[in-house]
Amino acid sequence: AQSVTQLDSQVPVFEEAPVELRCNYSSSVSVYLFWYVQYPNQGLQLLLKYLSGSTLVKGINGFEAEFNKSQTSFHLRKPSVHISDTAEYFCAVRRGYSTLTFGKGTMLLVSP
Amino acid sequence: GAVVSQHPSRVICKSGTSVKIECRSLDFQATTMFWYRQFPKQSLMLMATSNEGSKATYEQGVEKDKFLINHASLTLSTLTVTSAHPEDSSFYICSALFQETQYFGPGTRLLVL
Repeated sequence: AQSVTQLDSQVPVFEEAPVELRCNYSSSVSVYLFWYVQYPNQGLQLLLKYLSGSTLVKGINGFEAEFNKSQTSFHLRKPSVHISDTAEYFCAVRRGYSTLTFGKGTMLLVSP
Repeated sequence: GAVVSQHPSRVICKSGTSVKIECRSLDFQATTMFWYRQFPKQSLMLMATSNEGSKATYEQGVEKDKFLINHASLTLSTLTVTSAHPEDSSFYICSALFQETQYFGPGTRLLVL
């Protein structure tokens, strides 16, 4: 079975500072990797995904993530955050035709 | 593209009644949809996988007779919470699979009094 670890439950950061949200997964086979964002009382919005190809993936709202197979990581980064980026971020992994496995989520708190 | 809608966005019902939640893929066909439940400040818990034209596959611990899932068309799946009780109050989110990616609906907040 695969698992997803988001080590940080909360990440506080000041506006315009860079941020990295960490995600590690456990799987010995090829996987598909995703980051979703959830604003309060809303569903999940796809930020970016890695299915194949370039290991550096660019998504919406200025976010990007890098797939590192040797470290089994898929960390999410943004060079300069905005107040509006305050939300819950979920990393998810899918292996083959299996269902998505979610991490526990990381709350990004951006303050002025 | 790849938009998923849910209806209603929130519903309040009395204990013992049944509630139906609809999940629609608006601009694509989805043979596979998923139903999740989310508790406050927690991650999503997969309840069941819904396949068009066949029976849903439920996760361990999810009562099939309580959470009825129907996926009668390629754009619509429904979740019916039968004989709802206060402990069924939760945020229910559906998703639809399109080109190896799950796209999520906006969620339905259910409150059972």
